Amino acid sequence: KAGVTQTPRYLIKTRGQQVTLSCSPISGHRSVSWYQQTPGQGLQFLFEYFSETQRNKGNFPGRFSGRQFSNSRSEMNVSTLELGDSALYLCASSFGQPQETQYFGPGTRLLVL
Amino acid sequence: AQKVTQAQTEISVVEKEDVTLDCVYETRDTTYYLFWYKQPPSGELVFLIRRNSFDEQNEISGRYSWNFQKSTSSFNFTITASQVVDSAVYFCALSEALGRRSGGYQKVTFGTGTKLQVIP
Repeated sequence: KAGVTQTPRYLIKTRGQQVTLSCSPISGHRSVSWYQQTPGQGLQFLFEYFSETQRNKGNFPGRFSGRQFSNSRSEMNVSTLELGDSALYLCASSFGQPQETQYFGPGTRLLVL
Repeated sequence: AQKVTQAQTEISVVEKEDVTLDCVYETRDTTYYLFWYKQPPSGELVFLIRRNSFDEQNEISGRYSWNFQKSTSSFNFTITASQVVDSAVYFCALSEALGRRSGGYQKVTFGTGTKLQVIP
């Protein structure tokens, strides 16, 4: 069974630009969660999508948004990039119930210059 | 509110030593789930184990073992005879249910991680 895939793996952008990251979950998983990981803040929850609906959201500004498609693939968008947005962005998929394990993709490393 | 504390930021051990990574959690729920993940330098979080709040049996898997104690709200992870390949950041996580009326979905909180370095 294929794991969670994320594209692109690496990205370099400049301040003010926008970026879109993609996540394809494990087949059959309907929940996709996004996390930001930085050395100073650790793993921070961005949002979770389930069946194309955002049902949980972390404390991030509105510049961070996402969506989920009918095939459960998810995209995350960051507009007006800031230097502090440089991070590893991880997505995780699961069946979406509390007892279910989240399986993570390899992440996208974003560098904002 | 749920919280996961991994007080050990970094640990260094010499190969073949045993090492225990601590995890303490806070939750108001009686039903919850605990996880350990390993993050090697490549960046991907690898799932290691899941435990539910009703199962306090300790578990051993090869060189890995987990000690779950509800009385102290701890879920500690021990690596026996550590190896260089064990060098990674280890995360403990807590999953609770939200929105039970709508079927329940998970809110996952991660600890800040413990960086383990195994020196050859």
